[in-house]
Amino acid sequence: SQQGEEDPQALSIQEGENATMNCSYKTSINNLQWYRQNSGRGLVHLILIRSNEREKHSGRLRVTLDTSKKSSSLLITASRAADTASYFCATDADGAGSYQLTFGKGTKLSVIP
Amino acid sequence: DAGVIQSPRHEVTEMGQEVTLRCKPISGHDYLFWYRQTMMRGLELLIYFNNNVPIDDSGMPEDRFSAKMPNASFSTLKIQPSEPRDSAVYFCASSLAWSSGNTIYFGEGSWLTVV
Repeated sequence: SQQGEEDPQALSIQEGENATMNCSYKTSINNLQWYRQNSGRGLVHLILIRSNEREKHSGRLRVTLDTSKKSSSLLITASRAADTASYFCATDADGAGSYQLTFGKGTKLSVIP
Repeated sequence: DAGVIQSPRHEVTEMGQEVTLRCKPISGHDYLFWYRQTMMRGLELLIYFNNNVPIDDSGMPEDRFSAKMPNASFSTLKIQPSEPRDSAVYFCASSLAWSSGNTIYFGEGSWLTVV
């Protein structure tokens, strides 16, 4: 079953604007990861935030995690055309006696030059 | 490192034909995963291996699907016979470990169309 769900499904912004994508999940997690997928390519890991962290930065990326609301957000500042891609959150949990990493369906971001 | 290598990148086949997808994981990675991506269902884990041994194949949709890993540097995903609903992108991925906080590395995918 899908654990993480991204919102919105699609987002279109102008270059230079900030892009915010959200992820909600249902059960307790160990960590949450964000991946990017360019059109026709595989997923690439962007950033990981642990369950005891509230915010993390990496370059133009800022990730927040609110475990009480079971949600995370990915902010891309000063967006560029090259940021056009789908973005997925992946929740990392121990379930049914084994480790599980479950991906959402993604947010498709279009950055217009 | 060349990353996870998959072949073929694109495959168009007729219903009923056998399809074999291939994967070479990153050297030194003990875990190999096969995922399927569709618009409707998103990214689904089909099966994963640890040190060439299948650990969890609960995501394999039906008996028409099978996966093998004869050695640490090669894996196949086979569909026999193929059906139009198998049309999807199939990703192979690998990782050093399969535990909390671990990152997995994806190949570029095999785009399968069954007509």
